[in-house]
Amino acid sequence: GENVEQHPSTLSVQEGDSAVIKCTYSDSASNYFPWYKQELGKRPQLIIDIRSNVGEKKDQRIAVTLNKTAKHFSLHITETQPEDSAVYFCAAEYSGGGADGLTFGKGTHLIIQP
Amino acid sequence: NAGVTQTPKFQVLKTGQSMTLQCAQDMNHEYMSWYRQDPGMGLRLIHYSVGAGITDQGEVPNGYNVSRSTTEDFPLRLLSAAPSQTSVYFCASSQTVLREQYFGPGTRLTVT
Repeated sequence: GENVEQHPSTLSVQEGDSAVIKCTYSDSASNYFPWYKQELGKRPQLIIDIRSNVGEKKDQRIAVTLNKTAKHFSLHITETQPEDSAVYFCAAEYSGGGADGLTFGKGTHLIIQP
Repeated sequence: NAGVTQTPKFQVLKTGQSMTLQCAQDMNHEYMSWYRQDPGMGLRLIHYSVGAGITDQGEVPNGYNVSRSTTEDFPLRLLSAAPSQTSVYFCASSQTVLREQYFGPGTRLTVT
């Protein structure tokens, strides 16, 4: 099956600085890599995703990069704001042995310091 | 649209009891799934379904059953609750696994 490692587990940055969260995956057949944001006490929500035919994708202050050769992908948040404080999860699609789902990393708690 | 709904929001069970967590979606999504979320463990897939009448096991299926008799509903059954099943349970739906997963509000389950 798929194994997704996510680092760091906690990240504290000053408001206005950039934040980078990194994930690695094990299954070279994976083709879909979403990122979810979960605010305290809320449900996870998709913020950006990338497919294996693309190396980078941007949406305003958020970008994701993918290196299929190295099997890692990263989330970049620029000009961080207080509302960016949350737990962020990366995930990778896996398919095999009849299984078809997402494997999530263990999460990064992003803290934006004023 | 209500999106994905889950009931109950909170539940306390005694060891050995059984119960069903309800999940429904009104977006005509084919793919539905159940995750459990434990501190420091991320979201782990319990069971999933790619359409009515079809279910399959995820990463942590032991102690749980599911069924998918309609497109809208995907209940999760705990057969004989154990303290290790204390967790927050999220149901999610999407067009396929390769599209945005819409999560329900979650059920916080405590087994004593």
